[in-house]
Amino acid sequence: TQLLEQSPQFLSIQEGENLTVYCNSSSVFSSLQWYRQEPGEGPVLLVTVVTGGEVKKLKRLTFQFGDARKDSSLHITAAQPGDTGLYLCAGVSGGYQKVTFGTGTKLQVIP
Amino acid sequence: KAGVTQTPRYLIKTRGQQVTLSCSPISGHRSVSWYQQTPGQGLQFLFEYFSETQRNKGNFPGRFSGRQFSNSRSEMNVSTLELGDSALYLCASSPGRDGLNEKLFFGSGTQLSVL
Repeated sequence: TQLLEQSPQFLSIQEGENLTVYCNSSSVFSSLQWYRQEPGEGPVLLVTVVTGGEVKKLKRLTFQFGDARKDSSLHITAAQPGDTGLYLCAGVSGGYQKVTFGTGTKLQVIP
Repeated sequence: KAGVTQTPRYLIKTRGQQVTLSCSPISGHRSVSWYQQTPGQGLQFLFEYFSETQRNKGNFPGRFSGRQFSNSRSEMNVSTLELGDSALYLCASSPGRDGLNEKLFFGSGTQLSVL
């Protein structure tokens, strides 16, 4: 069974602070996705990283895929209250849209 | 373009009953996946359908089943409900062609409570 462990599980920070969320697995994934989910809604895809060592930036969010394609990180610069939500990493392997989701990181940004 | 539509939004059932949830994917999307989300287990993959065929299945008991119609709409059924089946059931649609770069678009889910 493929598992994706995220850390930290919970994070409460002040507006303007920086933070990093980690996603680790003992399995190799063909690609890795990051989602954000707000209460009462489904997850929304933020980014997909495919190549080991790949770095992608989305405004204040920076995503990195580990060289061995087993881990990933999400760094948020100058967090804002609108960044509040549940962040989920998800590993894709074997095709046919079977996606393994991580344990999740609940982020709260306090104004 | 309309998003993924799941109905009903909320559902309350009692143990032993069965339930059917519905999902209408984004127009043109042929793949529909179902996930169960609980506070303890997180998001877990149930199954995926493409062109009316189940292509992939997660580790859930046979009480959980699904199907897809020719218009790509999908239903999932849970029989003999147990208290532990209380969860948010999410449906995701995708074109079904892009493999590893496939983008999943999720609906808002159906919140099922089993009493």
